[in-house]
Amino acid sequence: GAGVSQSPRYKVTKRGQDVALRCDPISGHVSLYWYRQALGQGPEFLTYFNYEAQQDKSGLPNDRFSAERPEGSISTLTIQRTEQRDSAMYRCASSLVTSGTDTQYFGPGTRLTVL
Amino acid sequence: GQQLNQSPQSMFIQEGEDVSMNCTSSSIFNTWLWYKQDPGEGPVLLIALYKAGELTSNGRLTAQFGITRKDSFLNISASIPSDVGIYFCAGRWGSNYKLTFGKGTLLTVNP
Repeated sequence: GAGVSQSPRYKVTKRGQDVALRCDPISGHVSLYWYRQALGQGPEFLTYFNYEAQQDKSGLPNDRFSAERPEGSISTLTIQRTEQRDSAMYRCASSLVTSGTDTQYFGPGTRLTVL
Repeated sequence: GQQLNQSPQSMFIQEGEDVSMNCTSSSIFNTWLWYKQDPGEGPVLLIALYKAGELTSNGRLTAQFGITRKDSFLNISASIPSDVGIYFCAGRWGSNYKLTFGKGTLLTVNP
């Protein structure tokens, strides 16, 4: 596609439910990143993939959060047993390669609300 | 960890005015980036800076990489209504892929 797409755009769930957030990066982009953005804050790094390999998951808050990118393209961020504090905008970004100068292109995000 | 202080938090200006915002860091970055986020959209890169002291322009936008490598500023000249949005600074160390973002500056332009 023309840009990074994410689905769903909005997700409302009840506390304790599992949710799966999907990211479809720009075609051909090797690197994929997940960020979380709280209201009034900038995006905060969660995890990063190079092709299908999860290279860094140091930003994942706890073991309820996991991510995968099995074929090196689409990625899924899964949150198990959601809690109200998980409510935030979850953004995905992709870049052509991994380098200190490569541009990360962001998707529109998934707004998660946990009731 | 690295933290970015971005100021001001918000600005309300008249169309045609110039705008300045800045970012300071508790530690050194090798790359400074400025993004703009429109409502309902993800951040879009405006300007990237890779060397201390570098001054780069993109149309009416000018950004500079501070010589201490711990700060950066963004200027917008002759603001127009479509400049409205949230502006984020972001820093990156070396070839590290991780971006550290500021909290953003909300810009409102009154026509």
